[in-house]
Amino acid sequence: AQTVTQSQPEMSVQEAETVTLSCTYDTSESNYYLFWYKQPPSRQMILVIRQEAYKQQNATENRFSVNFQKAAKSFSLKISDSQLGDTAMYFCAFMKHPGNQFYFGTGTSLTVIP
Amino acid sequence: GAGVSQSPSNKVTEKGKDVELRCDPISGHTALYWYRQSLGQGLEFLIYFQGNSAPDKSGLPSDRFSAERTGGSVSTLTIQRTQQEDSAVYLCASSLSGTGGGYEQYFGPGTRLTVT
Repeated sequence: AQTVTQSQPEMSVQEAETVTLSCTYDTSESNYYLFWYKQPPSRQMILVIRQEAYKQQNATENRFSVNFQKAAKSFSLKISDSQLGDTAMYFCAFMKHPGNQFYFGTGTSLTVIP
Repeated sequence: GAGVSQSPSNKVTEKGKDVELRCDPISGHTALYWYRQSLGQGLEFLIYFQGNSAPDKSGLPSDRFSAERTGGSVSTLTIQRTQQEDSAVYLCASSLSGTGGGYEQYFGPGTRLTVT
């Protein structure tokens, strides 16, 4: 079975600063996808970034980037130039490939302080 | 285009009553998922539909929970004889995921269920 662990229940960051959210996972699969989702107070889950395990290059989406360490089974999310709108719960998720079931971490609540 | 929609957005029901929660996935998405999110918690997988295949019901917590997906599109999650511990936000997601997998899920806004 796959497990996803987010060890930081809560974090805060000053506006315009950089913050890194941690995620580790446990799997015996060799091919899989990893995701970071954002859930703001509005409750709508939004995809932030996706990483294919076979790709060595870390994914980047504007201010969001990941540090994917396959051997260490680590998948951290870095948010640069934090904005007030980044305040949300962030969930790390794993999906084996091929396959369709997602496994989510318990989330990290991020607060951006003005 | 239209995203995943869910109805109702909020539902208050009395203990012991049955409830139905509806999910309209994105058109063309073959995969549909239901999750439960209790207050301050992560997402708990409930059930997964893929095309015309038999659903993966491995996450349903009890036989009071059931779901169907008609015509490969709209899905209904039914909770019979609701209990207070069923109070949670129920999220639906859809994806293009086929046999290859790997496609991200698109989530609906959820239905907040409160059992009194």
